[in-house]
Amino acid sequence: QQQVKQSPQSLIVQKGGISIINCAYENTAFDYFPWYQQFPGKGPALLIAIRPDVSEKKEGRFTISFNKSAKQFSLHIMDSQPGDSATYFCAAGTLVAAGNKLTFGGGTRVLVKP
Amino acid sequence: DGGITQSPKYLFRKEGQNVTLSCEQNLNHDAMYWYRQDPGQGLRLIYYSQIVNDFQKGDIAEGYSVSREKKESFPLTVTSAQKNPTAFYLCASSIRSTGKATFGSGTRLTVV
Repeated sequence: QQQVKQSPQSLIVQKGGISIINCAYENTAFDYFPWYQQFPGKGPALLIAIRPDVSEKKEGRFTISFNKSAKQFSLHIMDSQPGDSATYFCAAGTLVAAGNKLTFGGGTRVLVKP
Repeated sequence: DGGITQSPKYLFRKEGQNVTLSCEQNLNHDAMYWYRQDPGQGLRLIYYSQIVNDFQKGDIAEGYSVSREKKESFPLTVTSAQKNPTAFYLCASSIRSTGKATFGSGTRLTVV
């Protein structure tokens, strides 16, 4: 069964701190790893994504680190702000096969305290 | 502005009734998807469609049905066979070559 395991389920970080969320996958056919941010009552929004040919991708305060051999990837939120308080989902999929459907992790609820 | 519109935002239905959730996109995306989200959990794929008049079952298709008669529209019917239909339903679309899925704002279905 294709699975993506995400941890922790929740975390609390002080304003200005670093939030770190980890994901692990099993299917080596996955070649696309996005992160989504979701606010209560809203649909998820794409935050940042990475392909397995690079080990790190940074966009503003958000960085994805990717370890292909360990089949793990993580999201780092630098200088966390109260507005970052949301639920974050990692996902994995294949761009060529299987209709681009994504398999999602269970989500991490992040609370940034002012 | 381009995007995905889901309606209604909230839906209440009696147990045993079928209900259809609407999803419309004006992004000219080929692929469309339906996900189910339960409280504190991730998204689970119900159905997806890569092209008009074609769709495939996802991981939890039992008790659901879809149609894709137009590129812009991908309605989801929750049938009486779905044993626990109360959930938050999310529709998404993507360009097949990029995988970047855009989500709608969701429909919260409550069955009483």
